[in-house]
Amino acid sequence: AQSVTQPDIHITVSEGASLELRCNYSYGATPYLFWYVQSPGQGLQLLLKYFSGDTLVQGIKGFEAEFKRSQSSFNLRKPSVHWSDAAEYFCAVAPFGNEKLTFGTGTRLTIIP
Amino acid sequence: GAGVSQSPSNKVTEKGKDVELRCDPISGHTALYWYRQSLGQGLEFLIYFQGNSAPDKSGLPSDRFSAERTGGSVSTLTIQRTQQEDSAVYLCASSGQGATDTQYFGPGTRLTVL
Repeated sequence: AQSVTQPDIHITVSEGASLELRCNYSYGATPYLFWYVQSPGQGLQLLLKYFSGDTLVQGIKGFEAEFKRSQSSFNLRKPSVHWSDAAEYFCAVAPFGNEKLTFGTGTRLTIIP
Repeated sequence: GAGVSQSPSNKVTEKGKDVELRCDPISGHTALYWYRQSLGQGLEFLIYFQGNSAPDKSGLPSDRFSAERTGGSVSTLTIQRTQQEDSAVYLCASSGQGATDTQYFGPGTRLTVL
């Protein structure tokens, strides 16, 4: 069965600092990979996705993620965080984009001034 | 057009009562999904409808949970004889039918069982 691990439950960074959120997956083949963000009281918003091709993908709000097959990882990065980035971030995998998603447990991001 | 909408946004019920949660997907989307988000279990898949195919019910936690999708559009998730452990946020998502399509989520329904 496929699974997703987000090892960091909570991360605190200063505004303007760089960010990396970790995601590792377990799957028999290369799955479709996603990062979603959830702000307080809001639904899930897609940040970016990886299906194939270039392993560095760009998303919305200045986020990017890099797929590393050898490490079964899909880490999310941002060079300079803004206070509005404070939210919960979920990594997810699926066999295809229109199949059921398996989510990680999420990483809560706090931004300090 | 409009995104995925869900109603009600909040529902408080008493243990043992039945509840119905509604999801209106994005127009033209053929796939519809229900997920549950709870403190203990995180985000978990419940059920998935794709076009006219039989739904994938593999995530439903018990036979008290059921869902239907009428006319290939609106979906209702029904929980019978609610229990306190059913308290959670129920999220609906929809997508197109292509393998590279992605899921768009609604704002969720927060269910509280007293």
